[in-house]
Amino acid sequence: NAGVTQTPKFRVLKTGQSMTLLCAQDMNHEYMYWYRQDPGMGLRLIHYSVGEGTTAKGEVPDGYNVSRLKKQNFLLGLESAAPSQTSVYFCASSYYQADQPQHFGDGTRLSIL
Amino acid sequence: GDSVTQMEGPVTLSEEAFLTINCTYTATGYPSLFWYVQYPGEGLQLLLKATKADDKGSNKGFEATYRKETTSFHLEKGSVQVSDSAVYFCALSDRRTNAGKSTFGDGTTLTVKP
Repeated sequence: NAGVTQTPKFRVLKTGQSMTLLCAQDMNHEYMYWYRQDPGMGLRLIHYSVGEGTTAKGEVPDGYNVSRLKKQNFLLGLESAAPSQTSVYFCASSYYQADQPQHFGDGTRLSIL
Repeated sequence: GDSVTQMEGPVTLSEEAFLTINCTYTATGYPSLFWYVQYPGEGLQLLLKATKADDKGSNKGFEATYRKETTSFHLEKGSVQVSDSAVYFCALSDRRTNAGKSTFGDGTTLTVKP
């Protein structure tokens, strides 16, 4: 059972470079989310999607873009990476019902030099 | 808006000690409540949940009861093990008011020493 798979697991970028983080889920979940986790800051929601073709801003969306062209995939893009975007990024997915939990990937550890 | 407040950590206990991690919430609707656990180098995973008042969630010896009157969902375990060392997150979800999002606490780091 793959669950939620994040690619890549680690990446080092230089300031100004761009990259895309890929999230794939095989549970037919409607909702998908991107979070960042920084020491002492808990989880912060970047963007989320409530269905194929839809996206919405979360708590800290600046500097990021997302797309959900297929139900099973949710892409997070950094157009021009900045050192402040050094973080661990987690993707999650869930069914739409409120009593259903989120399922998380194992994270992407991103360093911006 | 909705919010979750967790007991600040870190918490350090000896093996076989009793664990309580406090969690209180503020919500305008009727949320479902969750505890997630995060082991080093991994993503969060569901530990237990409760979906209505007075429900008790339980898993792996951990328990939490949904207390609407005190807006709390405290996590307890009678005898912790070294393998329980992790970060614990309390969360709530109310699709009617949160438009598909969940609200997480800041996490509490637990270290259990042999």
